[in-house]
Formats: sequence, C-alpha cells, structure tokens
Amino acid sequence: AQTVTQSQPEMSVQEAETVTLSCTYDTSESNYYLFWYKQPPSRQMILVIRQEAYKQQNATENRFSVNFQKAAKSFSLKISDSQLGDTAMYFCAHMDSNYQLIWGAGTKLIIKP
Amino acid sequence: GAGVSQSPSNKVTEKGKDVELRCDPISGHTALYWYRQSLGQGLEFLIYFQGNSAPDKSGLPSDRFSAERTGGSVSTLTIQRTQQEDSAVYLCASSPDRGGSYEQYFGPGTRLTVT
Repeated sequence: AQTVTQSQPEMSVQEAETVTLSCTYDTSESNYYLFWYKQPPSRQMILVIRQEAYKQQNATENRFSVNFQKAAKSFSLKISDSQLGDTAMYFCAHMDSNYQLIWGAGTKLIIKP
Repeated sequence: GAGVSQSPSNKVTEKGKDVELRCDPISGHTALYWYRQSLGQGLEFLIYFQGNSAPDKSGLPSDRFSAERTGGSVSTLTIQRTQQEDSAVYLCASSPDRGGSYEQYFGPGTRLTVT
C-alpha cells in the first residue's frame, strides 16, 4: 500500500527563522505528483507547493521550496524567513495513479514572535 | 471567482439521525472529492466523482455513507443512522480535470458532531 509519512508531529521556531518539514512516501510508480498543503486554524486547506516527479528541479514558491529526493522517496518543505501567518498544520500528499491523494498525518508548525 | 463552498459549516445531530452535507464545487471543475478529517488527523479519502463516470466509492467506511453528484456539479454526502465515531470535519475538494496540475481546491469543511 502506498503511504506518506511525516515524522514530526509538531515543530516550533522563532519568526524569521528557516524551518524544514520532512516527508517520505512509498510508491512503485515512476511518475506522480507530490504536494504540500497548509491548513490554518480557519480549517481551509490551501496548496503551498507542488512537485512533478519527472522534473529533477526542485519546486519553489516565494519563501517555500522543496528538497525532492526521488531515489530516497523524500519530499521535504523548507520555509524561509518564517512569518506568524505560517502557523498552521502542514500536510504532505502523494497523488496515486487513480488521481487520489494519499495524505500524511501532518506537522503542526508554530511560529513564535 | 467563487471557491468551493460547503454547507452547513457546523452540524450537531443526535445519534441515529440522518444528515446531509452539501458541496458546491468551482464552476467547470469535473472532479469532486469528499474527505473526512478526524481531530488532529490527516485526511481520509471517502469518494471521488469524475465527470459522468461511475464514482470511486472505495473509501466509504460503511454502507451508512453515500454520496451523489447531480448534473456534474453539486454533491451531497449522506450519512444514515449517525454514530458518535462519525464526528469529524468533512471536506470537499474539486479539481479541473485529470490533466493539468491535478491541484485540488478545498472548501472550508463541515464540522459534524454526533451526540
């Protein structure tokens, strides 16, 4: 069965620091999509960043970037210059061949002022 | 433009009653997903609609759960004879189609509490 593992249940950093959230996944497919979603206390799930497995270049979106290691099946999220508004649950997800998202259990990120 | 909307935002019901949760996807999106999120947990897939194809119901936890999508747009998730373990946030998401970015756009969810 395909799985997604987020090994850090909770992390806390000071505002303006850089933080990295880890994610590993298991799949036998060669081409797939990986996602990081953010869920603030408002409950609205928001896409942060997306990576296509056939692309070697790591995806970046402003302060957010990923370290995609396909052979290791690792997909970590780096948040630079963290802001108070980054406080949220962060979920890693893998899209399988049936277009379904397999979700990790999430990492609670707290940005302290 | 308008995003995915869900109603009601909160629902409290007594054990044994039936409930209906509604999802209005983004106009033109052909794919629609329902998920369940228990407190402090990740998302559990329930059901997936794609255009006029038969839905993928593989995630429904029991036959008390059903969903339909009328006219390829609005979807209703029905839970019959609710149990306390059904208490959770139910999230709906829509996606443009199977091609492209595969990004799913989520609604704000319905928090269901079964007493």
